[in-house]
Amino acid sequence: NAGVTQTPKFQVLKTGQSMTLQCAQDMNHNSMYWYRQDPGMGLRLIYYSASEGTTDKGEVPNGYNVSRLNKREFSLRLESAAPSQTSVYFCASRADTQYFGPGTRLTVL
Amino acid sequence: QKEVEQDPGPLSVPEGAIVSLNCTYSNSAFQYFMWYRQYSRKGPELLMYTYSSGNKEDGRFTAQVDKSSKYISLFIRDSQPSDSATYLCAMMDTGFQKLVFGTGTRLLVSP
Repeated sequence: NAGVTQTPKFQVLKTGQSMTLQCAQDMNHNSMYWYRQDPGMGLRLIYYSASEGTTDKGEVPNGYNVSRLNKREFSLRLESAAPSQTSVYFCASRADTQYFGPGTRLTVL
Repeated sequence: QKEVEQDPGPLSVPEGAIVSLNCTYSNSAFQYFMWYRQYSRKGPELLMYTYSSGNKEDGRFTAQVDKSSKYISLFIRDSQPSDSATYLCAMMDTGFQKLVFGTGTRLLVSP
């Protein structure tokens, strides 16, 4: 039982490049979430998916897209990366409360 | 005004001290209250989870919720250097899927 897994662990992009962050959970949870964490800002919700086939915007969705591929997987895509998207990204899934993955450290130059 | 306020610290204490971490909130609809611990370069891990007002104890940790004051606390007894981490409070109402987080308090426990 791996819980919530994220790939990659680290990534460096140049401005304008695109990439997809992958997240998978093996706890059979319906709800999944993407957050970014920045110093002094705490965890901010980017997008969430209450169930397979549905997605909704969170607090800071601009510049991101998501796909709930199936119940297990929820991916986050940056179409044209910007330096302001340099952050640590966390995926989470939820039963009674949220369980987090280990994070992806993204740097955009 | 943020929905959840939390002092960022750092809070420095000697080993063995009692630690008190706190959050205030403005949304009276919050019913579920959580504390997460986050070690450096790791994801947050759930520490305590309480519903509505009252106390909950788990080993050296006690979570306290005072809904009348919109104030929650986490107490750590006999603090250890391994408790050094950032502690995040989070809360949720019954109607939504989303958690609202505090910004986190950094705790340093020195040997």
